[in-house]
Amino acid sequence: KAGVTQTPRYLIKTRGQQVTLSCSPISGHRSVSWYQQTPGQGLQFLFEYFSETQRNKGNFPGRFSGRQFSNSRSEMNVSTLELGDSALYLCASSRGRQGTNTGELFFGEGSRLTVL
Amino acid sequence: GDSVTQMEGPVTLSEEAFLTINCTYTATGYPSLFWYVQYPGEGLQLLLKATKADDKGSNKGFEATYRKETTSFHLEKGSVQVSDSAVYFCALTFSGSARQLTFGSGTQLTVLP
Repeated sequence: KAGVTQTPRYLIKTRGQQVTLSCSPISGHRSVSWYQQTPGQGLQFLFEYFSETQRNKGNFPGRFSGRQFSNSRSEMNVSTLELGDSALYLCASSRGRQGTNTGELFFGEGSRLTVL
Repeated sequence: GDSVTQMEGPVTLSEEAFLTINCTYTATGYPSLFWYVQYPGEGLQLLLKATKADDKGSNKGFEATYRKETTSFHLEKGSVQVSDSAVYFCALTFSGSARQLTFGSGTQLTVLP
């Protein structure tokens, strides 16, 4: 079956702009998590959505937000972009039921954001 | 807070060599532990996992044992192949927030023919 699909794969923005990234999870998966990957900070958890509700949130400023739609697709938005937001943004999906598939996530290839 | 420490890379080995990538963790309680692998140009893939002390996870010839006494989860493979070249990440999570993984910094492995 199809894997996790992220769009766009690459994008370039300038400081102060905003960006929206999209993630389509594996069919049947209701949980979508977002991670930021940078050379300096590594992989850091942004947030998780399940059934259109944010279930967990990492330690990121309010400029980072997300949402999930009824078909489980998710978007994340970063407003007022800063140079330090340049990163690979990874989306991961799972079935999401509590107590099942603990920590077993299926990752997309990521959206690489460059902020100039 | 919770954290994962991996051995610094990059690691370069010849084909058929023995591989060990060290991973230790700091956490309150008893987390589940994972190894994820990221091949060039791809997303992360779960390689193996262990959910309680003394569990051994294994997959594709890789093994790791959850050692509570040393808070470690070292990754091993007896004979590496060129196709094992990738970045390996150790990670932990707790069942109450299972999708919130805490990752180590990653270890780049290159296997030469």
